[in-house]
Amino acid sequence: AQTVTQSQPEMSVQEAETVTLSCTYDTSESDYYLFWYKQPPSRQMILVIRQEAYKQQNATENRFSVNFQKAAKSFSLKISDSQLGDAAMYFCAYRSKAAGNKLTFGGGTRVLVKP
Amino acid sequence: NAGVTQTPKFQVLKTGQSMTLQCAQDMNHNSMYWYRQDPGMGLRLIYYSASEGTTDKGEVPNGYNVSRLNKREFSLRLESAAPSQTSVYFCASISRLAGGNEQYFGPGTRLTVT
Repeated sequence: AQTVTQSQPEMSVQEAETVTLSCTYDTSESDYYLFWYKQPPSRQMILVIRQEAYKQQNATENRFSVNFQKAAKSFSLKISDSQLGDAAMYFCAYRSKAAGNKLTFGGGTRVLVKP
Repeated sequence: NAGVTQTPKFQVLKTGQSMTLQCAQDMNHNSMYWYRQDPGMGLRLIYYSASEGTTDKGEVPNGYNVSRLNKREFSLRLESAAPSQTSVYFCASISRLAGGNEQYFGPGTRLTVT
């Protein structure tokens, strides 16, 4: 079974600065998807960014980018030019390409943004 | 499109009571999922239905049953609620030809068992 680990329970960043969230995972599969989800106080799960394992190029979505290190099984999220609206819980998630499309989540990192 | 809807939004039960959480999606998705999120933790998969007519256990299925009523609806039943089932419950769905597509999540149901 796959496991996802987020080692930082909480991160604090000054507005307009950059913060990086760590995620490591364990799998024996060679092809899979990785995701970062944002969960604001409303509890809604919002997709931030996705990465397909066979693609070597790191995904980027506006101010959000990832550093995907397949051999190290690492998938970090960088938030640039942090905004107050970025304050939320962030979850790293793994999805197997095998039957079921099930997601396995990490424990989450709370991001605090200081004005 | 309403996306994924869940009812109720909040529920308080006494130990031993039963209830059913309802989930519906209007995106013609094949696969549907039930997760639970305990305080300060990530989501954990309870049950899923890869396609209409099939259901499978996830990581934490004990104490729950599910029904895939039709392609749109996937319900979660607690037959005899326990305080350990106090949690926020999320339903999600995805197309069978998922590729890199995301799972769409409902707004969640906050359940408290006293």
